[in-house]
Amino acid sequence: GQQLNQSPQSMFIQEGEDVSMNCTSSSIFNTWLWYKQDPGEGPVLLIALYKAGELTSNGRLTAQFGITRKDSFLNISASIPSDVGIYFCAGQPRGAQKLVFGQGTRLTINP
Amino acid sequence: GAGVSQSPSNKVTEKGKDVELRCDPISGHTALYWYRQSLGQGLEFLIYFQGNSAPDKSGLPSDRFSAERTGGSVSTLTIQRTQQEDSAVYLCASSLAHEQFFGPGTRLTVL
Repeated sequence: GQQLNQSPQSMFIQEGEDVSMNCTSSSIFNTWLWYKQDPGEGPVLLIALYKAGELTSNGRLTAQFGITRKDSFLNISASIPSDVGIYFCAGQPRGAQKLVFGQGTRLTINP
Repeated sequence: GAGVSQSPSNKVTEKGKDVELRCDPISGHTALYWYRQSLGQGLEFLIYFQGNSAPDKSGLPSDRFSAERTGGSVSTLTIQRTQQEDSAVYLCASSLAHEQFFGPGTRLTVL
C-alpha cells in the first residue's frame, strides 16, 4: 500500500535553531498536509499544500509540495520551546479522501 | 467549543468485551474519518463517511470493527470482542474539503 517515509525520526536542537524535516513516497499525492501533535491531544493542522511546487508559509513555518508530487518538506525557523512535539506529514492519494500519514518527527529543544 | 469532540477520552475494557466510541464532528462538516494511532506510531486510516454513507471502509482491520453515522453528524465506532492488539488511540476527524480537523481521541486499553 501507499507509505510515507518521514525523516528524521527525532531531532534534538537548541532553542533558536532552524529545523527541517521531510517526507517522501513512491506514490503521487494530490494534497500534502503537515500536522503537529502534543501529548494526549489530536493532531493540529499547520500547513496545507495543494499544487506541485507550491511553497507556503505560516509564521515561522514553511512547507513545500515537491514538483514530482511525491515529496514535501517542512522548515521551522528560529525554534522556540513551544515548538516541541511530534510533527506528521500526511498525503491525500489521487481519487481518495483518506490521509496517509508518515511516522512522525519528534522535536526536542534543549534549553 | 466548535472543534471535533470525542467520548469517552479514556476507555479500559476487558478482552472479549464490546466497546463504542463516539465522535461529534464540527457542525456543517459533511465528511468524517476514523483513524487509529498505536503508541509512537503515525495514524492509520480506518473508515471515511460522506454524509451517512461510507464509501471507503478499506482500513477496518477485521469484521469486529464497524462504524455508523446518523443524521450526517455523530458517528459511532464499535469494536466487538476486543483483543489486546486493539489497544490504541482512536482519532476522529471531520472536513468540508481537503483539510481534516482532528478531535482529541479516545485512548482504548484492552486488558
